[in-house]
Amino acid sequence: DIQMTQSPSSLSASVGDRVTITCRASHSISSYLNWYQQKPGEAPKLLIYAASSLQSGVPSRFSGSGSGTDFTLTISSLQHEDFATYYCQQSYSARAWTFGQGTKVEIK
Amino acid sequence: EVQLVESGGGLVQPGASLRLSCAASGFTFNIYAMSWVRQAPGKGLEWVSTITTSGGSTYYADSVKGRFTISRDNSKNMVYLQMSSLRAEDTAVYYCAKENFGSGRNFDYWGQGTLVTVSS
Repeated sequence: DIQMTQSPSSLSASVGDRVTITCRASHSISSYLNWYQQKPGEAPKLLIYAASSLQSGVPSRFSGSGSGTDFTLTISSLQHEDFATYYCQQSYSARAWTFGQGTKVEIK
Repeated sequence: EVQLVESGGGLVQPGASLRLSCAASGFTFNIYAMSWVRQAPGKGLEWVSTITTSGGSTYYADSVKGRFTISRDNSKNMVYLQMSSLRAEDTAVYYCAKENFGSGRNFDYWGQGTLVTVSS
């Protein structure tokens, strides 16, 4: 199985801050990397697919980058509604999906 | 509008069985693979199972292989997860998810989830 490791596990930030979350794969996954946002009590929501493609309807302050084993999710200017937990997911081994452990973004 | 609505969760004893259902609408159901993803209380996301468009191929996480069975009924736009020999560690919210394809695969729509609690 491909293991996905996110860092940090949690972070505190203020509205307007630039936030970066990192995801590392145990093996090269090319650009087969997705990012999801989950708010308490809600289902996950797809933000970024194929490492850097923005899902329809997602604000442009979200962006993704990386390939191979190292990936980044960036929120350029954190908004109130962005406080949530973020998960990366590899789709290289499709139908054997694995997620990172999550990064909780909290208000400073 | 795409909608996925799960049902069938509840409280069961260890060793029992339970069947979850997911009703899909708002898209051409029979051309998309469907999956179940679960989330234990306070924990992260874990992929459970996927079924291809016709139901001809199914995939399972090692943690549920041999105990869970995924199926679908394209005439009813339904996907199911039959769970047997349930264990305490199967306690989770179970989400139904639609698989998108194109530039890689992803889960572009999710249901609201149904809670399964395994406890004596």
